[in-house]
Amino acid sequence: TQLLEQSPQFLSIQEGENLTVYCNSSSVFSSLQWYRQEPGEGPVLLVTVVTGGEVKKLKRLTFQFGDARKDSSLHITAAQTGDTGLYLCAGYNNDYKLSFGAGTTVTVRA
Amino acid sequence: GAGVSQSPSNKVTEKGKDVELRCDPISGHTALYWYRQSLGQGLEFLIYFQGNSAPDKSGLPSDRFSAERTGGSVSTLTIQRTQQEDSAVYLCASSMRVQETQYFGPGTRLLVL
Repeated sequence: TQLLEQSPQFLSIQEGENLTVYCNSSSVFSSLQWYRQEPGEGPVLLVTVVTGGEVKKLKRLTFQFGDARKDSSLHITAAQTGDTGLYLCAGYNNDYKLSFGAGTTVTVRA
Repeated sequence: GAGVSQSPSNKVTEKGKDVELRCDPISGHTALYWYRQSLGQGLEFLIYFQGNSAPDKSGLPSDRFSAERTGGSVSTLTIQRTQQEDSAVYLCASSMRVQETQYFGPGTRLLVL
């Protein structure tokens, strides 16, 4: 059983469309992180959110942390083919162990 | 500067053989982590090191798995008597200190036939 549930598992959209990926848990996290992983590589950190209700923007990516610090979302505006990849959310609920969701595979078609 | 490196990048072995996977963390990073990523799954925490000590080994799937870190740098993950269910990508990450940003290596893809 995953501590963090991500949805959807797969997402395929046309270039220029918007998309949202969700990360939910019944546990409270001190912080949540979003990573992107491309084939043959390790995950790369995109953002860390630490405050309930926090919204962070990174160019066309918007990250939100739920008020209760149990859930988060990633929204991509006007997706580009370069946004294709596996998006992973991860959270700390103790000092050192980072728990990962199963990931959302995003494919942006040209 | 150099990132986290792992070797080998790919490993094919026969069931029952032992394998050693190596991780070279970023220089100066005191914390080092091993994860396993199976197809369609997220990353599963295996073990972490603070310096050369491994305070938490509870993520290791069985006593066939062991890991060590020497000189506060290189780490080796050893899997004895490999089984087909051990097939996965093994990822290593390091951070300056615990709970700081983790930087991942490219992983070792292990296939047990």
